Amino acid sequence: GAGVSQSPRYKVAKRGQDVALRCDPISGHVSLFWYQQALGQGPEFLTYFQNEAQLDKSGLPSDRFFAERPEGSVSTLKIQRTQQEDSAVYLCASSLELAGHYEQYFGPGTRLTVT
Amino acid sequence: GENVEQHPSTLSVQEGDSAVIKCTYSDSASNYFPWYKQELGKRPQLIIDIRSNVGEKKDQRIAVTLNKTAKHFSLHITETQPEDSAVYFCAASDGLTFGKGTHLIIQP
Repeated sequence: GAGVSQSPRYKVAKRGQDVALRCDPISGHVSLFWYQQALGQGPEFLTYFQNEAQLDKSGLPSDRFFAERPEGSVSTLKIQRTQQEDSAVYLCASSLELAGHYEQYFGPGTRLTVT
Repeated sequence: GENVEQHPSTLSVQEGDSAVIKCTYSDSASNYFPWYKQELGKRPQLIIDIRSNVGEKKDQRIAVTLNKTAKHFSLHITETQPEDSAVYFCAASDGLTFGKGTHLIIQP
């Protein structure tokens, strides 16, 4: 069956531009997660949704980062006024049930480069 | 918040030998400990996980051990093969806090 998909796969933005990254989770998965993975590092937790509710956004690095999942399915991570330190791969993952109890299935990621 | 330390950062072993990767965590409330394999340019994929009510779990050549008292857990790969070469990540805090990764290199 279809796995987690993300678009675009690659995004180049000029510093100061806004970007929107999309995640399509596995159908029926309740939980959705966003991570930021810098080169050579492990994924860093950004935020977590259970259905449409954003239950944890403690990992968002600044108020320039905003995520939503309005209908409990597709999610969008928006970064306003991008800066060079935002360059990373942004990974989305979904899980059948509650966070912390079930396997997370990762998408291929969106590689963001801010010039 | 949770802190996950992973060692070593790079591990090179001869094909056929065993590899062991270790992680420690700080949050005693952590109950779920997955291990992910990530090949270059690919997404992380779960290879094995363990929950806090179990001390050891095995799946063919891969095993994970957990010591909740000491707050550490380890990944063991036996009879390593070239296709095991990848970066491996542990995670704690209900699977949301990752270690920095171990680059495993299998020498033919």
